[in-house]
Amino acid sequence: AQTVTQSQPEMSVQEAETVTLSCTYDTSESNYYLFWYKQPPSRQMILVIRQEAYKQQNATENRFSVNFQKAAKSFSLKISDSQLGDTAMYFCAFRLGGATNKLIFGTGTLLAVQP
Amino acid sequence: EPEVTQTPSHQVTQMGQEVILRCVPISNHLYFYWYRQILGQKVEFLVSFYNNEISEKSEIFDDQFSVERPDGSNFTLKIRSTKLEDSAMYFCASSERDYGYTFGSGTRLTVV
Repeated sequence: AQTVTQSQPEMSVQEAETVTLSCTYDTSESNYYLFWYKQPPSRQMILVIRQEAYKQQNATENRFSVNFQKAAKSFSLKISDSQLGDTAMYFCAFRLGGATNKLIFGTGTLLAVQP
Repeated sequence: EPEVTQTPSHQVTQMGQEVILRCVPISNHLYFYWYRQILGQKVEFLVSFYNNEISEKSEIFDDQFSVERPDGSNFTLKIRSTKLEDSAMYFCASSERDYGYTFGSGTRLTVV
């Protein structure tokens, strides 16, 4: 069975600074996808970034980037130039290849950006 | 940008009553899902749906729950005989093959 672990329940960062959120996962499969979702106080789930396991290059979306270490089964999210609007719960998620497969979520990291 | 639409945004129901949560997935998506999030807890998979049938369901998705795609646009989750512990945020999502999901904004269900 696949599992996703987020070991940081809460983190805090100063505005304009950089922060890294950790995520590890466990699977014996080789075809999978990894995601980071943001959940602001409105509780909507917003896709931040995705990574295909077969791609060696780390995904980047503006101020958000990942450090994907396949051998170590690690998938961390780096937020650069943190903004107050980045304050949210961040969930790491895993999905096997194959369109109908479910997303497996970690327990989340609550990020607070301080002014 | 295309959206997944969920209605209602908040529903309060008496214990034992039936509720139907509604979702309109993105029009060209073929795969549909329901997830729930009990307050303060992680997001849990309930069911996935493709080609007019359930493709996978979790142990949470017992006989109390059912899903339906009654027409070409709506995707519903029915909860029969609601219990207090069914109080949660329910998220609908849809996806194209091998892409990240798009989630709706959720329905907050409160069972009293």
